[in-house]
Amino acid sequence: GENVEQHPSTLSVQEGDSAVIKCTYSDSASNYFPWYKQELGKRPQLIIDIRSNVGEKKDQRIAVTLNKTAKHFSLHITETQPEDSAVYFCAARGYSSASKIIFGSGTRLSIRP
Amino acid sequence: EAGVAQSPRYKIIEKRQSVAFWCNPISGHATLYWYQQILGQGPKLLIQFQNNGVVDDSQLPKDRFSAERLKGVDSTLKIQPAKLEDSAVYLCASSPSGRADEQFFGPGTRLTVL
Repeated sequence: GENVEQHPSTLSVQEGDSAVIKCTYSDSASNYFPWYKQELGKRPQLIIDIRSNVGEKKDQRIAVTLNKTAKHFSLHITETQPEDSAVYFCAARGYSSASKIIFGSGTRLSIRP
Repeated sequence: EAGVAQSPRYKIIEKRQSVAFWCNPISGHATLYWYQQILGQGPKLLIQFQNNGVVDDSQLPKDRFSAERLKGVDSTLKIQPAKLEDSAVYLCASSPSGRADEQFFGPGTRLTVL
């Protein structure tokens, strides 16, 4: 069945440094790739997404890259700040509104002061 | 605009008991999702509704879980009887019609089965 693998499971970086989280997906029909941030005890919130007709998208300190041939996509956070500490989930889904969204297992990002 | 509402926020039950969760999506959102999030894992889709019809329930353990969305607005998710492994946060999400990829999550219900 469809699967999304996410690495690493935990990541600790120095404040101000960059953080990179990588995901691979198995369903070649996937064409929408969102990233969610979930703070402790709170709901997941969409922070950025990318569609298969785009290779890269940037929003201030956050960027996402997509390689459809290799079926992997990555989240890049630059100039990390303490408030970036959270669990980040990648996900993948197909084009149809009826297609299922599959989440990765999450990356716990900690920013060291 | 008001977000997705869920109740209760917390529930503790003993195994073999029954429990029900309620979700009120954002007004006008046609698509509604129920997810199960076990501690340390990503959300797993249990069921997806489009208006009051089921689009996908392939991962719903139908021997004990049921869900309905009467009138295409509010939804309830029921577990009967509960097992220890059902302990998780149950998240409801909704999407605007035609933009099913943009999901808005509710605060979740944390279920503990003892």
